[in-house]
Amino acid sequence: KNEVEQSPQNLTAQEGEFITINCSYSVGISALHWLQQHPGGGIVSLFMLSSGKKKHGRLIATINIQEKHSSLHITASHPRDSAVYICAVRHLYNNNDMRFGAGTRLTVKP
Amino acid sequence: GAGVSQSPRYKVAKRGQDVALRCDPISGHVSLFWYQQALGQGPEFLTYFQNEAQLDKSGLPSDRFFAERPEGSVSTLKIQRTQQEDSAVYLCASSSRRITTGELFFGEGSRLTVL
Repeated sequence: KNEVEQSPQNLTAQEGEFITINCSYSVGISALHWLQQHPGGGIVSLFMLSSGKKKHGRLIATINIQEKHSSLHITASHPRDSAVYICAVRHLYNNNDMRFGAGTRLTVKP
Repeated sequence: GAGVSQSPRYKVAKRGQDVALRCDPISGHVSLFWYQQALGQGPEFLTYFQNEAQLDKSGLPSDRFFAERPEGSVSTLKIQRTQQEDSAVYLCASSSRRITTGELFFGEGSRLTVL
């Protein structure tokens, strides 16, 4: 079983819809990252969380350490949000060890 | 530079050839990571440098894989005697902090195809 599980694997939405992507992990962590990967491979770091909630523009990320779960929300989705969203966690006792989820492929249709 | 730069962006190699992939991190970044991303999968850790020291190479899949960062800036990932299963995107990331809890900045990746 992968230490980082994301759901859904694929998500198609209409422009303007509210989107939620979920991440569950099974190990102790020091931080969780949400990353965005566009076609062509470039990865952009969206958030780094160790507790609570962060907001940046239309993006909101939350984490529940007790439940080992994080969510990424996109409000008022737009076609330019189409990308693969990857959850990644840093192991609590080895910060070099970062485990990635398989990603959620989001397509937002106009 | 402004961001993490990787080269080549695309590499096609015949099975058995040696390849070298270069990563130029953000200037001054202490930490440098290499990841391997197979098609449709999330990245997987290969190795980590703090300055010129390779502190963790536990993710390197075989002794055909070798990474170096001799002057603590540019890093090279070398794959000897490439095999088809080595086909993947190789991602480099850097971070400004010595303790690797800082934000990571990724390069565009080097896509390797082994025929």
